[in-house]
Amino acid sequence: IAGITQAPTSQILAAGRRMTLRCTQDMRHNAMYWYRQDLGLGLRLIHYSNTAGTTGKGEVPDGYSVSRANTDDFPLTLASAVPSQTSVYFCASGSYTGELFFGEGSRLTVL
Amino acid sequence: GNSVTQMEGPVTLSEEAFLTINCTYTATGYPSLFWYVQYPGEGLQLLLKATKADDKGSNKGFEATYRKETTSFHLEKGSVQVSDSAVYFCALLKDSWGKLQFGAGTQVVVTP
Repeated sequence: IAGITQAPTSQILAAGRRMTLRCTQDMRHNAMYWYRQDLGLGLRLIHYSNTAGTTGKGEVPDGYSVSRANTDDFPLTLASAVPSQTSVYFCASGSYTGELFFGEGSRLTVL
Repeated sequence: GNSVTQMEGPVTLSEEAFLTINCTYTATGYPSLFWYVQYPGEGLQLLLKATKADDKGSNKGFEATYRKETTSFHLEKGSVQVSDSAVYFCALLKDSWGKLQFGAGTQVVVTP
């Protein structure tokens, strides 16, 4: 049972570099989400996709972009990383009910 | 706007103790409410949910009742185990597209 697969598990990145976090699901869920987790702030929504071909901005979208070319994949790109983007990133998928399935996270450190 | 407030942690308990984690929310109407759990080094997983007022969600010995009068959804477990050590997140359903508003999370540490 795969569910949601995220890669890389962790990454150290120099400020200004471009980085793409990968996310793949095998549950055929229509909706996919990217959250970042920061201590004391819980999870905050970065971007979401209600269905393949569409995307939308969440609470904290600045500095991030996403694409949804097909149902299974939902990559998150940092065009030019900054230290404030140091965080743990979680990809999730679901069927609009709020019952989400999460990946194991990608820990990103921007120096 | 929507918001979820949880009690701050960490909450440290001995095994077999009673656990309560408070959660209150602000929202328009009566959204579905959830508790998610994050075990060390893992992603979040759904623990339980309630979709309307007075509903009780339950799973793995945990319970939470949707109280619209007090806009609360407190999580309880009668006898915790070391394996319940985790971070617990309260959340509400923001819209019909499945987006969730999470609280800050409460770390629970259970000692033998």
